Amino acid sequence: DVKVTQSSRYLVKRTGEKVFLECVQDMDHENMFWYRQDPGLGLRLIYFSYDVKMKEKGDIPEGYSVSREKKERFSLILESASTNQTSMYLCASSLRGPYYGYTFGSGTRLTVV
Amino acid sequence: AQSVTQLDSQVPVFEEAPVELRCNYSSSVSVYLFWYVQYPNQGLQLLLKYLSGSTLVESINGFEAEFNKSQTSFHLRKPSVHISDTAEYFCAVTGTASKLTFGTGTRLQVTL
Repeated sequence: DVKVTQSSRYLVKRTGEKVFLECVQDMDHENMFWYRQDPGLGLRLIYFSYDVKMKEKGDIPEGYSVSREKKERFSLILESASTNQTSMYLCASSLRGPYYGYTFGSGTRLTVV
Repeated sequence: AQSVTQLDSQVPVFEEAPVELRCNYSSSVSVYLFWYVQYPNQGLQLLLKYLSGSTLVESINGFEAEFNKSQTSFHLRKPSVHISDTAEYFCAVTGTASKLTFGTGTRLQVTL
């Protein structure tokens, strides 16, 4: 069964910490995405990548960065975690092109205290 | 650029009743439309999609959605819901790129 795996299901971090959220897919997908999900706001795109070592800002990139050194792995980095980054983070991947939709991971619920 | 509007944040319904979850989109180009479902404490799963051809698309668990270009809508329907359909449902749209734009979601609550 094809998968998108997020390294942590629940994470609690302190304000000011550097936080790494890892995402790995085993489907040889070109595209990878990071969203955050908040009640009433739906899914908001943070960053995405269409290829290795390539990244593009989404709608809410402030306070985040990403890394894609290998095709299967896409990391989201919170440079200095803040309480307003407490959220559910969802990673997704897809083949190139608009026809396929995404495959999502199970999500990481991050709490910053 | 595309946008998606899901007008209903919550839809309560009794088991075995019909349901419609509304989705309207805005786009200046041809669109591809998707419905995703998110069960509690899980990621999103693809429910169905419209790419081209027949405007009525169906999922394996009894949901269907109809693409209406003139009304820019892609409403999701089920003639008889089950308790297990309780979940959050997201409508999404894309144009020629791979990037999806999601609506804010509709929480379907099915009760006995």
